[in-house]
Amino acid sequence: NAGVTQTPKFQVLKTGQSMTLQCAQDMNHNSMYWYRQDPGMGLRLIYYSASEGTTDKGEVPNGYNVSRLNKREFSLRLESAAPSQTSVYFCASTTSSPYEQYFGPGTRLTVT
Amino acid sequence: GENVEQHPSTLSVQEGDSAVIKCTYSDSASNYFPWYKQELGKRPQLIIDIRSNVGEKKDQRIAVTLNKTAKHFSLHITETQPEDSAVYFCAASRGGGGNKLVFGAGTILRVKS
Repeated sequence: NAGVTQTPKFQVLKTGQSMTLQCAQDMNHNSMYWYRQDPGMGLRLIYYSASEGTTDKGEVPNGYNVSRLNKREFSLRLESAAPSQTSVYFCASTTSSPYEQYFGPGTRLTVT
Repeated sequence: GENVEQHPSTLSVQEGDSAVIKCTYSDSASNYFPWYKQELGKRPQLIIDIRSNVGEKKDQRIAVTLNKTAKHFSLHITETQPEDSAVYFCAASRGGGGNKLVFGAGTILRVKS
């Protein structure tokens, strides 16, 4: 049981490049989330998927898109990376109840 | 929308002392309040949570209290140990489908031995 996995662990992009962050969970959870973590700002929700087939914006969705590929997988895409998107990105998943969110190991992204 | 404020931003205590971190929330409909611990370079991990129908919950050296009227909740760590040193985040949610968490900005706890 791997829990929540993310790829890649590290990535460096140039401004304007695109990339997709991958997330998968093997806990049969309904809901999945993408957060970004910046120093002094906690974790901020980018997008979430309450269930397979649905996605919704979170607090900071601009510059990102998501795809809930199936119940297991939820990807985050940066179409045209900007330096302001330099951050650590965490994926998480949860069942409806109990509400504990399980986090993946994170992706450290640097945009130059 | 929900707004969660967390204080203090940094906290230094001597080993064996107690540590208290406080959070306030704005949405009276929030009913789920977890606390996460994040060690350097690691993922956040749930250490304790509380639902709005409970005023206090304990798990060994860790306790959380909730005051719904005042809309604040606190994390209490007793007999602190060096391995308690980490960043602690509070969060609030309405629960239910989707269960969006809104996080506080975090507290860096340093336990000096």
